[in-house]
Amino acid sequence: AQKVTQAQTEISVVEKEDVTLDCVYETRDTTYYLFWYKQPPSGELVFLIRRNSFDEQNEISGRYSWNFQKSTSSFNFTITASQVVDSAVYFCALSEALLTGANSKLTFGKGITLSVRP
Amino acid sequence: EPEVTQTPSHQVTQMGQEVILRCVPISNHLYFYWYRQILGQKVEFLVSFYNNEISEKSEIFDDQFSVERPDGSNFTLKIRSTKLEDSAMYFCASSSNRGISYNEQFFGPGTRLTVL
Repeated sequence: AQKVTQAQTEISVVEKEDVTLDCVYETRDTTYYLFWYKQPPSGELVFLIRRNSFDEQNEISGRYSWNFQKSTSSFNFTITASQVVDSAVYFCALSEALLTGANSKLTFGKGITLSVRP
Repeated sequence: EPEVTQTPSHQVTQMGQEVILRCVPISNHLYFYWYRQILGQKVEFLVSFYNNEISEKSEIFDDQFSVERPDGSNFTLKIRSTKLEDSAMYFCASSSNRGISYNEQFFGPGTRLTVL
């Protein structure tokens, strides 16, 4: 069975601080995908990143960066120089890669509420 | 940019009533999903749908729930006899198995269901 653990429930930082959101996953699959989604106060789910289990390269997109460590089953997300607009709930998610090429369900973590204070 | 749409944005119903939540997935996507999020909790998978049949469903998706793709564009979730605990945000999502967005699920804005 797949499982995603986001041990941090709430994080509060002051604007311009760096913050790292942790994600640890469990799966018996050798091929899988990892995701991060942002849920702002308005409620929609905003896709941030997808990572294939074979691609352990870290990724940077502007102020966002992701650290994928297969050895520790972690896929952590860092926001550099945080801004008030980053305040949201952030979900890490996992899906298996099916041999048929079909897309499978997402298993979400419980989410981390990030508050960025001015 | 193509997007998933959902109607209504908010549905209020009485316990025991039937509700139908509607979704229009992205037009060239083949995989469709429903998820729900009880207030303040995580997003939970309900069901996936491909090639006009259910691919997978969770324990939550019991006989009270059904899904349908009545035409080429809509994807619906029906709850036959709503319970108080069905109150949640329901998200529809769709995905493709090709291209650079392979396996990326695009989510709709959600329908907030309130059961009184």
